[in-house]
Amino acid sequence: QLHLVESGGGVVQPGRSLRLSCAASGFTFSSSAIHWVRQAPGKGLEWVAIISYDGSDEFYADSVKGRFTISRDNYKNTLYLQMNSLRAEDTAVYYCAKGRGGRSLIDYWGHGTRVTVSS
Amino acid sequence: DIQMTQSPSTLSASVGDRVTITCRASQSISSWLAWYQQKPGEVPKLLIYEASSLESGVPSRFSGSGSVTEFTLTISSLQPDDFATYYCLQYYSYWTFGQGTKVEI
Repeated sequence: QLHLVESGGGVVQPGRSLRLSCAASGFTFSSSAIHWVRQAPGKGLEWVAIISYDGSDEFYADSVKGRFTISRDNYKNTLYLQMNSLRAEDTAVYYCAKGRGGRSLIDYWGHGTRVTVSS
Repeated sequence: DIQMTQSPSTLSASVGDRVTITCRASQSISSWLAWYQQKPGEVPKLLIYEASSLESGVPSRFSGSGSVTEFTLTISSLQPDDFATYYCLQYYSYWTFGQGTKVEI
């Protein structure tokens, strides 16, 4: 059974950093592109970033470009999101989500980890 | 960037109703559109992909149609389990979600 388990969320002050992790199991992690998607409290879904199956390509939403870095370790079946220079508007539940097919359709979501940016 | 506009934002309906939600893309996305259902406190669930393909395990009362810039999600007979928020996603160029449609009683 497919599992994506996020961790690393918490409360952090504006301007500080946080690193999220996503542990994957139940599928061939090294063959799948993986996304980060976030959802601010009471708001809709916002795509954040994607990394290719082998880590050779990364793409980011404009809202996080230059501040967030997505990476992966295919030996550990783990995805990461390094978040620097955090802002209040980064407050959200962060989901890792598996991509499917050539256009990386988001087909399965983890349960998310909550990040709160507040002084 | 491609913008996705969903309508309506909120929809009031009753069990047994036929429900239609629309998603409009700011430019052509061919058929690279998906629909998701999210219930309160739960993660989104994929319903439809490539505009009209039903994801495995999803009830047949859900259907999708459209192409280019205009897309529709239809629930043929609304069930109690269907009261939720629905999102469209374009995956033609990067990934962009619509703002969501809440289906309420």
